[in-house]
Amino acid sequence: GENVEQHPSTLSVQEGDSAVIKCTYSDSASNYFPWYKQELGKRPQLIIDIRSNVGEKKDQRIAVTLNKTAKHFSLHITETQPEDSAVYFCAASPYGNKLVFGAGTILRVKS
Amino acid sequence: SQTIHQWPATLVQPVGSPLSLECTVEGTSNPNLYWYRQAAGRGLQLLFYSVGIGQISSEVPQNLSASRPQDRQFILSSKKLLLSDSGFYLCAWSDPSGGADTQYFGPGTRLTVL
Repeated sequence: GENVEQHPSTLSVQEGDSAVIKCTYSDSASNYFPWYKQELGKRPQLIIDIRSNVGEKKDQRIAVTLNKTAKHFSLHITETQPEDSAVYFCAASPYGNKLVFGAGTILRVKS
Repeated sequence: SQTIHQWPATLVQPVGSPLSLECTVEGTSNPNLYWYRQAAGRGLQLLFYSVGIGQISSEVPQNLSASRPQDRQFILSSKKLLLSDSGFYLCAWSDPSGGADTQYFGPGTRLTVL
């Protein structure tokens, strides 16, 4: 079955710097890759997603890139702000019914 | 627009007691429904998912069970809780039309087993 690895497990950046979180997946059949942000005690919220027919997608300060050949995808956050501090999860979908999640990355933005 | 509800929001139960958590979705028909558990500081573990009334797939063998008595209602149950059942229980839904990929999470139930 699909396996998703996420790195790093924790990431500290200075406010205004960029943050990059990387995920790799194992099943070449996976064709959908969402990213979720979870603030302390809250539900995971979808922040951006990408499908396998697209290499990059941007939404204001966040972007996701996908390399199907290497089977990895990354989340990029530019001009980080304290409110970006949260746990971020990547996921991959080898078929429509399920998502396989990475273990999460704790992002701390220091002001 | 679609809304997902979970209750209760928090629950403290003794070991060996039963459990019933409920999830309902509004504003959509025939959604795929999911139960996840998140232990403190950990990732999301898929417990059950359902593609229709009475159709339940179990991902992890354990003392929990799930049922879907109505199209937009998903229930997580246990006959006897264990200490290891403590965690943050999240229900999620997705729209099966057009791929069923994107999942949207409910507010969660925080369960503490003492």
